Formats: sequence, structure tokens, C-alpha cells
Amino acid sequence: SAVISQKPSRDICQRGTSLTIQCQVDSQVTMMFWYRQQPGQSLTLIATANQGSEATYESGFVIDKFPISRPNLTFSTLTVSNMSPEDSSIYLCSARDRATNEKLFFGSGTQLSVL
Amino acid sequence: RKEVEQDPGPFNVPEGATVAFNCTYSNSASQSFFWYRQDCRKEPKLLMSVYSSGNEDGRFTAQLNRASQYISLLIRDSKLSDSATYLCVVRDSSASKIIFGSGTRLSIRP
Repeated sequence: SAVISQKPSRDICQRGTSLTIQCQVDSQVTMMFWYRQQPGQSLTLIATANQGSEATYESGFVIDKFPISRPNLTFSTLTVSNMSPEDSSIYLCSARDRATNEKLFFGSGTQLSVL
Repeated sequence: RKEVEQDPGPFNVPEGATVAFNCTYSNSASQSFFWYRQDCRKEPKLLMSVYSSGNEDGRFTAQLNRASQYISLLIRDSKLSDSATYLCVVRDSSASKIIFGSGTRLSIRP
């Protein structure tokens, strides 16, 4: 299984600022994803982070708001831009196991609070 | 209709009891199925994959019924440490999209 390090683990930010979340995987993985989880809710996929090209965003999420980078097969960042209180959530990085290409592993999450 | 539906619970059962919950999925072409466990304020962790023939891992048994498009998770001899939210996860046929159910909360009482 892959080990995923995600940081920061939590942050409290002011409205209108931006936060970049980093995700480092200990092995090369075929796919990386970013999810959001509101309190008491399940996970919502924000986008698939594609290595060397633009991320693929799900309906309701746009690049200007959530720019994503993936410069190589082990690292990705998600930026939450121009934050508002509605962006307060847990953001989770995940990666698919290259060996099985099926199982999904998660970073420990970033708990974001926007004031 | 949601792509993956679960009973949200909460299920509140005594220690030692057997508990089961189901999950239904709408896409008949779905390929792979999993149960994840998520503790409060933690990330989801893979509990077990679900195979067509059914599979067992200790006290946990997972079943897949393709005809009725549901999967189930059975927990025998439940422990206090089993208290968590259990997420049903389905991978679609294109292999690129993984869909999470809303989760079933389980609480084991002494």
C-alpha cells in the first residue's frame, strides 16, 4: 500500500486568502485525486490530478477556484483560492495503488476553517 | 437517484452482536466494490474489497449481488473498536471514477 503524507493537517484562514495543500506519496502512483468532505457528509471528488497536464475537474469545481498541480508521479498540490466560509471543510488527497490499479489510499486530510 | 446509496444509520448495537448493512449502486456496469472504514476526524481506510464470490476477513464478511446491484457487510462478534462510519465504494467500468456512498454510522455499546 502507498503511504501518503498530507500537510498542513489543519489551518484557520481569513476570507479572501488562499491556501495550498501538499500531498506526497512514498511511491509512484498512476492516479491522484482530491476530495472534499463536509461535516457529516461523504466524500466529494473535486478533481483528478494528472501528471504533466491540467487536472480533470468534476461538475461544480473549476480550476480558478481549485488550481491543482502534479509535477511528477509522487506529488500534488491543491490550492483553495479566494476562500469564503463555505470552503470550510476537510480536504483529502488520495492515490490509486499502481500495483493493483484499484485500491484507493488517503492522506490524513486537511481541516480547513475559513473565518 | 444517487449512484451509491447507503442507510446512514446510526446503528447502535451491543458488544458481541452481529450487524449487517447494505449498499445499493445504480450503474450495472460497475466493476469493483469496496468497504472503507472512517473513524471520526480521520481519513477513510480500506477495510476490504468485495468479490463476486463473497469474501471473509476474520469477523467481517462482504457479499456482492450483481443481479440486485447491492453489496453487504456483515460484522460478527462486534467490538467497541468497530465503532466507525463504513463507506461503500464503487468503481465504474471506465476505471477512472470512484464513487463513495454517504456512509453508515455504527456505534457499539458496552
